[in-house]
Amino acid sequence: EPEVTQTPSHQVTQMGQEVILRCVPISNHLYFYWYRQILGQKVEFLVSFYNNEISEKSEIFDDQFSVERPDGSNFTLKIRSTKLEDSAMYFCASSESPWDEQFFGPGTRLTVL
Amino acid sequence: AQRVTQPEKLLSVFKGAPVELKCNYSYSGSPELFWYVQYSRQRLQLLLRHISRESIKGFTADLNKGETSFHLKKPFAQEEDSAMYYCALRGTQKLVFGQGTRLTINP
Repeated sequence: EPEVTQTPSHQVTQMGQEVILRCVPISNHLYFYWYRQILGQKVEFLVSFYNNEISEKSEIFDDQFSVERPDGSNFTLKIRSTKLEDSAMYFCASSESPWDEQFFGPGTRLTVL
Repeated sequence: AQRVTQPEKLLSVFKGAPVELKCNYSYSGSPELFWYVQYSRQRLQLLLRHISRESIKGFTADLNKGETSFHLKKPFAQEEDSAMYYCALRGTQKLVFGQGTRLTINP
């Protein structure tokens, strides 16, 4: 059964560094999402992406965040200058349409030191 | 504002006992409600959505618009039901999650 994959599973970085989190959505899906979960807190929506454009974003998704679909398979989340409070589990998800089930990846644990 | 509240962070029941995980929501329109489950060391996966009105793994959930609730129920808990359960709401494209309830089934 097709699955969303994410790399790396764990990323450790220094405060102020740039990180890129990678996701490979399910191949026939057209809608892509990033969520994050700070330890002990809720899973929070960051951004949705369709047709090479952001379709919705949250207040969390400020100028230090960006998303890109650099090729036909990858979907990336870039954090330009990481802060301590960016430490969280980041989940990628994809769906066929905005009203279908969102399938989640296993997550990337980002630790900012 | 869109909000999902799961009042119990932890819930522990014995095998064979009934289970009810509570979920209340706040949304001005007509939302779609979901239950997601995360088993140990596995990814988030969809358990139920209210529009399908089906039973998955013995679990059911009924949307009560009057009480703005979407409680998850199972009449007889099994040990393999131990997991983290998240209630979620979708109004636009995004999912809004509750805090989650860790369900532990004791043998």
